[in-house]
Amino acid sequence: QSVLTQPPSASGTPGQRVTIPCSGSSSNIGTNYVYWYQQLPGTPPKLLIYKNDQRPSGVPDRFSGSKSGTSASLAISGLRSEDEADYYCAAWDDTLSGHVVFGGGTKLTVL
Amino acid sequence: QVQLQESGPGLVKPSQTLILTCTVSGGSINSGSYYWTWIRQPAGKGLEWIGRMYTSGSTNYNPSLKSRVTISVNTSTNKFFLKMSSVTAADTAVYYCARSRGYNTAVDFEYWGQGILVTVSS
Repeated sequence: QSVLTQPPSASGTPGQRVTIPCSGSSSNIGTNYVYWYQQLPGTPPKLLIYKNDQRPSGVPDRFSGSKSGTSASLAISGLRSEDEADYYCAAWDDTLSGHVVFGGGTKLTVL
Repeated sequence: QVQLQESGPGLVKPSQTLILTCTVSGGSINSGSYYWTWIRQPAGKGLEWIGRMYTSGSTNYNPSLKSRVTISVNTSTNKFFLKMSSVTAADTAVYYCARSRGYNTAVDFEYWGQGILVTVSS
């Protein structure tokens, strides 16, 4: 059972806009930044969004992040076949001396 | 460009101690302000943060693993290590080393190793 809650799956058609939600609590998302990772099969995760809504260099602006209260979401616009991957949210949790928590991951299928 | 590479045994017997090495290239492990981190992922499952070591040597661990885990560093060889004791089948996973920036709540793992599969089995 992951500390951050994500739907196990999401889907969309090419060109569509999809959002992936991530729900947490006051000890993690409520007070700390949210981060998003994309993981293609057989590869390590790739940082997609940091500090709620910032994109690292090289990440297309089709990817955007937002946060409100104890929830966050990742939006992907202009969906492409290569976006089919697993997506994870993550945050720092202030409990128990502090630690990193991840969501369970969302498998995005491009139909 | 910083690169990380995990190494260690692919098979460990139950109750034994697992030791993994992460070799860092393209930058000194004791310069700058970074957290050197271990993360694992069981097959077909999600990511689990194991713990991290700051450039200065201070550490933080996952509360659920803290009693069995130690992260250490050898600055002369530019490597850091994961030591996990009393392993069970539940510790079977791909283990990644990664680097984040050095602010306390940092979860921005910009650099990752390719991962190493560790299987716990007799």
